Parts: sequence; structure tokens; C-alpha cells
Amino acid sequence: EIVLTQSPGTLSLSPGERATLSCRASQSVRGSYLAWYHQKTGQAPRLLIYGASSRATGIPDRFSGSGSGTDFTLTISRLEPEDFAVYYCQQYSGSPPYTFGQGTKLEIK
Amino acid sequence: EVHLVESGGGLVQPGGSLRLSCAASGFTFSTYWMTWVRQAPGKGLEWVANIKQDGSEKYYVDSVEGRFTISRDNAKNSLSLQMNSLRADDTAVYYCARGQTLAPWGPGTLVTVSS
Repeated sequence: EIVLTQSPGTLSLSPGERATLSCRASQSVRGSYLAWYHQKTGQAPRLLIYGASSRATGIPDRFSGSGSGTDFTLTISRLEPEDFAVYYCQQYSGSPPYTFGQGTKLEIK
Repeated sequence: EVHLVESGGGLVQPGGSLRLSCAASGFTFSTYWMTWVRQAPGKGLEWVANIKQDGSEKYYVDSVEGRFTISRDNAKNSLSLQMNSLRADDTAVYYCARGQTLAPWGPGTLVTVSS
């Protein structure tokens, strides 16, 4: 089973700033089958990025994903107020289970 | 519009059973893998199980293997999760989601296992 470790646990930034979130895998994520989701309080998660770098339908271009192998990054270029939420990475490589990282909370500074 | 709605959650005693359902609409249900994910109160997301389009392949996280059964009815656009031998640590909001890249998700249904 692939273990995903996200860092930092909490990230405090202001609107307009750039956010960089990290997701590290315990073994290579083949095919870059790595997705990012965010979850606002009281809501279901929403897919942001799949295939490590492809934006999901309706996701603004301020969100971008990069990386391969064991190291992946989600970047939000200019934070909007609605971006403050919890972010999860998830791998869907090979056979299940398809594990999630523990999450990064992005909070307003 | 793609829409998923879970139902069947509630309060159940340890050792009991519960069956969750997920009603799908707005897409061709039979052409997608479907997935259950859960979230314990105040905790992160945990992938639980998924099922192939025709039901021929099913996978589970180790902690539910042998206790939970995922199934689907393509004629009724419905996904189910039969949960037996429930434990306190199964308490969570259970979400159904479309595909292996999970989009969209339903709003979730709360399962509470407590005496």
C-alpha cells in the first residue's frame, strides 16, 4: 500500500499570496496517477487535479499540479478567499486501495 | 447535471448491520467505476471500496475486508454498501463518488456505531 505524506500540516497565508502544498509517496506512483481535492467545511470534497497536472472541469487556472514518481506539488498562484480549505492528495495507481494523504489545512493568516 | 445522493445512514449498535445506497443520475452509470470513501468525525478521508463497471471486480481497504460488501445495479443506477459487524471505528460520513478520479461526490450520509 502506498502511503502519502502531505506537508505542511497547516499553511497560513493571505489572499493574493501563492500557496505551495506537497505530497510525498512512500513508493513511486506509476503513471502519475495522483489527484488533488479540496474540502470546504461541511461540504464534500471536490476534484481539482488528476493525472498529477490536469485540471478537472471548471477548476480555475490559478490551480496547477506538478511532479512525478514520489514527489508532487499543488500550487495556487493567487489565493482567493474561497480557496481556504483542507487539501488532500490521493493516489490511484495499480491495484486498490487508493490511499489519501492526511491533508493540509490552508487557513487565512 | 451529474448527481449522486447517498442514503441509509443512521445509528447502529456495535456488531450490527447497515446498508447504504447511492442513487446516481445525469450520466451513464454503467460505464464508470464507482467508489465509497469515508471520513470519521474531524479526521481525513479514507478510501473504502470500489467496483468495476460490470461488477466483476471489487476492492476493499483491509480494515473492512470481509465485513463490507460493495455492489451495484446498473439497471437502477444504484450503488450499495452492505456493512456488517460494525465497530465504533466505522463511525463516519460515507460518500459515494464516480470513477477512480473521484468526481463528483455525493453529500454523504452519517453512520454512527454506538451503544
